Amino acid sequence: ETGVTQSPTHLIKTRGQQVTLRCSSQSGHNTVSWYQQALGQGPQFIFQYYREEENGRGNFPPRFSGLQFPNYSSELNVNALELDDSALYLCASSLVGEGTQYFGPGTRLLVL
Amino acid sequence: GESVGLHLPTLSVQEGDNSIINCAYSNSASDYFIWYKQESGKGPQFIIDIRSNMDKRQGQRVTVLLNKTVKHLSLQIAATQPGDSAVYFCAENINDYKLSFGAGTTVTVRA
Repeated sequence: ETGVTQSPTHLIKTRGQQVTLRCSSQSGHNTVSWYQQALGQGPQFIFQYYREEENGRGNFPPRFSGLQFPNYSSELNVNALELDDSALYLCASSLVGEGTQYFGPGTRLLVL
Repeated sequence: GESVGLHLPTLSVQEGDNSIINCAYSNSASDYFIWYKQESGKGPQFIIDIRSNMDKRQGQRVTVLLNKTVKHLSLQIAATQPGDSAVYFCAENINDYKLSFGAGTTVTVRA
């Protein structure tokens, strides 16, 4: 088990709503990355945060946004939810410059 | 372009046999690769990694082989156990911050 934790474990929302997912990094790590994993697919990179700023972004629209806090924990916010946003959202932490990322258990989001 | 893919979506293996999971990548500039194991309902778990200056790396019951000439890597699991049943992903580290994953190979261990 990694030291990365995520909350909540499951969430149900309706289309058009907004959602906030939370992540606590593994102790000693200073970057947090977020991934979206659709059923039967590999994780897709959303963005990474380092020093409380976005450090890189994947092919996701601006309604996906994030925050990193001084204690290296992080939030993923998704506005104007769409049905296709239903997925497992994974948080991963690492040390900047080291390629290996360690994943949390994920938050399963269902949009109805 | 940058992409990582696995050759086969499923693999069925007899308990005690060795498993080989393959992965192809397209970015010849990639220099770091990671194998993850994902069990049902859990996040991906780090198994082993390899940098492009190596062609082989061994861990506990696992070996990763990297062939840069044909842009191919593989994960070998020795003496496969029921607990090895999971989805296996290879991931390519891009620009030192982004991991690019393939679709995964589902390994089923037969008793």
